[in-house]
Amino acid sequence: GENVEQHPSTLSVQEGDSAVIKCTYSDSASNYFPWYKQELGKRPQLIIDIRSNVGEKKDQRIAVTLNKTAKHFSLHITETQPEDSAVYFCAATPYGNNRLAFGKGNQVVVIP
Amino acid sequence: EAQVTQNPRYLITVTGKKLTVTCSQNMNHEYMSWYRQDPGLGLRQIYYSMNVEVTDKGDVPEGYKVSRKEKRNFPLILESPSPNQTSLYFCASSSRTGPNTGELFFGEGSRLTVL
Repeated sequence: GENVEQHPSTLSVQEGDSAVIKCTYSDSASNYFPWYKQELGKRPQLIIDIRSNVGEKKDQRIAVTLNKTAKHFSLHITETQPEDSAVYFCAATPYGNNRLAFGKGNQVVVIP
Repeated sequence: EAQVTQNPRYLITVTGKKLTVTCSQNMNHEYMSWYRQDPGLGLRQIYYSMNVEVTDKGDVPEGYKVSRKEKRNFPLILESPSPNQTSLYFCASSSRTGPNTGELFFGEGSRLTVL
């Protein structure tokens, strides 16, 4: 099955700086890559996703890039704000697969 | 309001005492799933269901049972809970045929402690 790894496990950034979280996946058949954000004490929520026919996708201050050859994808957060402090989970799944494999999560801390 | 509702939100129980965590969604989603979240281990899938009467094992199904008799409900059953099942549990649902075709909507979570 799919194995997803996230690095680094914890990331501290100064408010206003950029944060980048990288995930690697093992199954070359994976074609859907979502990112979920979990604030302290809350449920995970989808913030952005990308499919393998696209190399990059942006939504305001967040973007996701995909490198299929290297089998990794990254979340980019620009102009970080305190409300960006959370745990971020990446995930991957092949099309037609009914299971979404999550990484272990990255704790992002934005320092005011 | 579209939502996934789990009950109970918090539960402390003892080893061996059967318990059920209920999950209900009002979005007419076909796909439902249970995850457990443990520190340093992320979200691990326990069971999932593609539709009524269709269930399948995830990555960590041991010690759990599920059923899907109605589209909206997907209860998680711990027949004989053990301390290693102490965890934060999330139910989630998605439209269409699975998590790679639609957003996963999570419930608020159920924190279970087994003594």
